[in-house]
Amino acid sequence: NAGVMQNPRHLVRRRGQEARLRCSPMKGHSHVYWYRQLPEEGLKFMVYLQKENIIDESGMPKERFSAEFPKEGPSILRIQQVVRGDSAAYFCASSPTGSNSPLHFGNGTRLTVT
Amino acid sequence: DQQVKQNSPSLSVQEGRISILNCDYTNSMFDYFLWYKKYPAEGPTFLISISSIKDKNEDGRFTVFLNKSAKHLSLHIVPSQPGDSAVYFCAARNAGNNRKLIWGLGTSLAVNP
Repeated sequence: NAGVMQNPRHLVRRRGQEARLRCSPMKGHSHVYWYRQLPEEGLKFMVYLQKENIIDESGMPKERFSAEFPKEGPSILRIQQVVRGDSAAYFCASSPTGSNSPLHFGNGTRLTVT
Repeated sequence: DQQVKQNSPSLSVQEGRISILNCDYTNSMFDYFLWYKKYPAEGPTFLISISSIKDKNEDGRFTVFLNKSAKHLSLHIVPSQPGDSAVYFCAARNAGNNRKLIWGLGTSLAVNP
């Protein structure tokens, strides 16, 4: 997991607040992916981004969730007006260009909504 | 609609013996399969992969077998070590689908000394 940095590791929010999760990919990686793991479930794809572009957001809920990967700085996953069902572990992964490059994951952000 | 299935939630093996983790899939468009290992409070770590044009890939103690006709793959770990105790996830990629991975629910492996 060395290289993909996610922060914070733990985030507690009350219902209705906003959550911002940050991900810095490995050096030299230009592709970022966000996955969510709900309790007792496997990882679910949310969104795939390259610098300044959203390539595939088919796994993102249509409302309250957004993601960006700006030219400078980390990728941000933003959840507005959080609800209890958003409580999960959110993992970011990165990869270099190349169709068969395995993903390298960060250690995740565990979001708890109270 | 679970396209990647790991039917054994847990597996217990004695140190030194072989661990066999199984994975079944339903989508014939998957062209690439990966195994990841995950320790508690950490992200998944890539272990080994196999392309759909192959039926076996080996890396040290880890070997992945792919049976396309049965839509089944397995991960063999031999000899198993206590440090292998972790949750193992099988993942598959749909050809041409932006490298989005579809994940199984994982198998928790315990290797007993």
